[in-house]
Formats: sequence, structure tokens, C-alpha cells
Amino acid sequence: EIVLTQSPGTLSLSPGERATLSCRASQSVSSSYLAWYQQKPGQAPRLLIYGASSRATGIPDRFSGSGSGTDFTLTISRLEPEDFAVYYCQQYGSSPPVDFGQGTRLEIK
Amino acid sequence: QVTLRESGPALVKPTQTLTLTCTFSGFSLSTSGMCVSWIRQPPGKALEWLALIDWDDDKYYSTSLKTRLTISKDTSKNQVVLTMTNMDPVDTATYYCARIRFMLGAMDVWGQGTTVTVSS
Repeated sequence: EIVLTQSPGTLSLSPGERATLSCRASQSVSSSYLAWYQQKPGQAPRLLIYGASSRATGIPDRFSGSGSGTDFTLTISRLEPEDFAVYYCQQYGSSPPVDFGQGTRLEIK
Repeated sequence: QVTLRESGPALVKPTQTLTLTCTFSGFSLSTSGMCVSWIRQPPGKALEWLALIDWDDDKYYSTSLKTRLTISKDTSKNQVVLTMTNMDPVDTATYYCARIRFMLGAMDVWGQGTTVTVSS
């Protein structure tokens, strides 16, 4: 079973700043199957990035994903007020086929 | 338009069996590459993946919960059912179903979730 470790646990930034969120896997993950989600309070998660670097439909281009192997990054180039939320990474394909990271909370500084 | 909706009891007693139904539209679970997954989230905690069923009726379960979970599908009704036995207060959570497309390896559409409380 692959363990996904996200860091930091909480990130405090101001609107307009750049956010860098990390997801590290205990074993190599196929880049085709690493995804990122955004979750706001009281809402279901929303898919942001799939295949490590492809933006889902309707996702602004300030969101970008990168990485391979065991190290992946979600970058938000310039934070908007609506970007403050919890972010999860997820891998697909190992056995069992799905794992989530524990999440990074992005809060307003 | 793809939608999913979870339904089931809001309250169950300890030791009871929970049955949740995910009713979806806008895609067919008999189409190659389509999957439906269940995920839960205890209050204030992280997402936890539970189970997945694919277009070929292959089923996969969380390692820690597999002895308690059963997932099944009714393609004609566009429904996926999850049962979880021997419910405990620690199973109190919001339960989500979501579509996974194999080519994405990601959950691209989610239901709004249903909250289940386990209490006597």
C-alpha cells in the first residue's frame, strides 16, 4: 500500500502570493495517476489536476502540477481569496488502487 | 451532464449494517474505463478511500476495512451500493461516491455526500 505524505500540514499565505504544496509517496507512483483536489468547508472535493500535471475542466491556469516518481507538487501561482481551502493528493493504480494524502490546509495569513 | 447522488440512513446504531446507494446519471458503468468509488470523511478529518467497482465488475477495497465492506452495481438502475457491517461510532462521517475514469485515474465528478452518524 502506498502512503502519501503531504507537507506542510498548514500553509499560511496572503492573497497574491505563490503557494507550493508537496505530496511525497512511499513508493513510485505512475505520473499518469497522481491527482490533486481542492475541498472547501461543507463541500465535496473538486478535481484540480490529474496525470500529475493536467488541469481538469474549468480549472484556472494559476493552478499547476508537476513531479514524478515519489515527489509531486501543486503550485498556485498567485493566490485568490477563493483558493484558501484544503488540498489533497491522491494516487491510483497500486493495490489497493486508491490512496489519499492527509491534506494541506491553505489559510489566509 | 454527469451527476451522482448518495442516499441512505442518517443515523445507524452500533453493530448495525449500513447500506448506502449511489445513483448516477450521464454515464454508464458498463462503458469501458468507467468506475465508481466510495470515499468517506469523518468530521474535521481527511478523506479516506473505501471501495471501487469498475465497468468489468471488478471490486477493490480498502485494506483496513475490506472485511466489513461490500460494493455492488446495478447497471440497469445506474446505481452502486455499498454495505458496511458492524458499524461503530468511529464510522461517523460524510460518505461520498465519485466517478473515476480509468484514463484519468482521478475522481472527476463527486456526489454532494451523505452524513451518517453512528450512535445508540
